[in-house]
Parts: sequence; C-alpha cells; structure tokens
Amino acid sequence: NAGVTQTPKFQVLKTGQSMTLQCAQDMNHNSMYWYRQDPGMGLRLIYYSASEGTTDKGEVPNGYNVSRLNKREFSLRLESAAPSQTSVYFCASNDGSYNEQFFGPGTRLTVL
Amino acid sequence: AQSVTQPDIHITVSEGASLELRCNYSYGATPYLFWYVQSPGQGLQLLLKYFSGDTLVQGIKGFEAEFKRSQSSFNLRKPSVHWSDAAEYFCAMNSGYSTLTFGKGTMLLVSP
Repeated sequence: NAGVTQTPKFQVLKTGQSMTLQCAQDMNHNSMYWYRQDPGMGLRLIYYSASEGTTDKGEVPNGYNVSRLNKREFSLRLESAAPSQTSVYFCASNDGSYNEQFFGPGTRLTVL
Repeated sequence: AQSVTQPDIHITVSEGASLELRCNYSYGATPYLFWYVQSPGQGLQLLLKYFSGDTLVQGIKGFEAEFKRSQSSFNLRKPSVHWSDAAEYFCAMNSGYSTLTFGKGTMLLVSP
C-alpha cells in the first residue's frame, strides 16, 4: 500500500496562475482532507470530504476549491494564486470515524 | 471554542534526558486526542492516540502520554531522548465532526 500520495512535491507559481494539487489514497477511506501548514500556525483545515460526493469548508477555505473525484482522489485547486497561499499543503484521509488521519508527504508551493 | 494549545514553541533537551511536551485542550466533553510527529520535510506520523479508558497510553518510538481530565491536558513524555527524536510535535483533537484541530506545534531540539 502506498497510503496517501500527493503530486507534485514542489511547485512555483506566479501571482494569478492557477494549479491543481492532486491527492490519492489506497486505503479505501471514506474521508479526505486538505490542510495547509505555515510556520508557527500548525495545520489548518482548508476543505474536507466526509464521503464521496460531499465536500465542506474548513477553517481557511477562501481562494481554494476542491473536487472529490471518486473515493480515492481529492484534488485542491487554486484558481488565481496569491503570495499568501505560499505554504506546504498536506492531504490526509481516514475511515470517517474518530480514528487517526493518515497524511501524505506534502506539496511545497511558492507563489511569487 | 474548541482549541488545542501547545505552550512551548521550542524545547531543547540533552540526549539521554527525559522529555515532556505539554498539550492543553478546550472542549466541553472528553475529546479524542492524538500526538503526531513531523521530521523535517516529511509528512505527519501518528505517535499515539487516546480515545477512552486508561489515561496512560503507549505509542511508538518509546513515547507515552497521559490524559488528565481535571487539567484538560494530554502531555507527551519519553524517558530518554535520542538525537533522532529531534522533530516537530503536534497535539491534535477530534471533537466530534471527524475533523482534527491541531496545536501550533513544539519544535524539539536535542543537544549532544
């Protein structure tokens, strides 16, 4: 099992460009999550999908959109990137219960 | 409001010395609690979790944590720190909506 995979690992964008971060899990989990990590801020939830076909906003959703493509895949889109979106982005999944979440390796995004 | 507080941003411990990382939570009932570790450039790995029952829980890599309801705390401990334990540690709480609330993290430095 690969667990949770994310692509790309690194990305540099110019202000105003768009891009999609990809996430996939092979653990047959129902729930998937997108976080951003900034120095001194911990991890903050951007969006989550409790089950296939549903998505909900987290703490910091502005400037992002998500798509739960199927049970395995959950993508995060930046339509018009801003320097404030420079961050490390983590995808996670779990079986939807109160169990722990499993994290991907992260995508380091820089917006110039 | 639900929150997780890690009072120490940085902690330096000598190799072989004991370690205690503090975590306090704010929630109206008993939450589900987790400790994660993040090595530089890596994703998050679960160290241990508390759901109910025994208040002292054992985790991987020789870590343990004690849940104290009266103090709203879930402190992480290790009797003897190794240089490889240098990392950032996050306390997290699941307060009933399948999402996690994270503390801002404590960076552990291990001195020779």
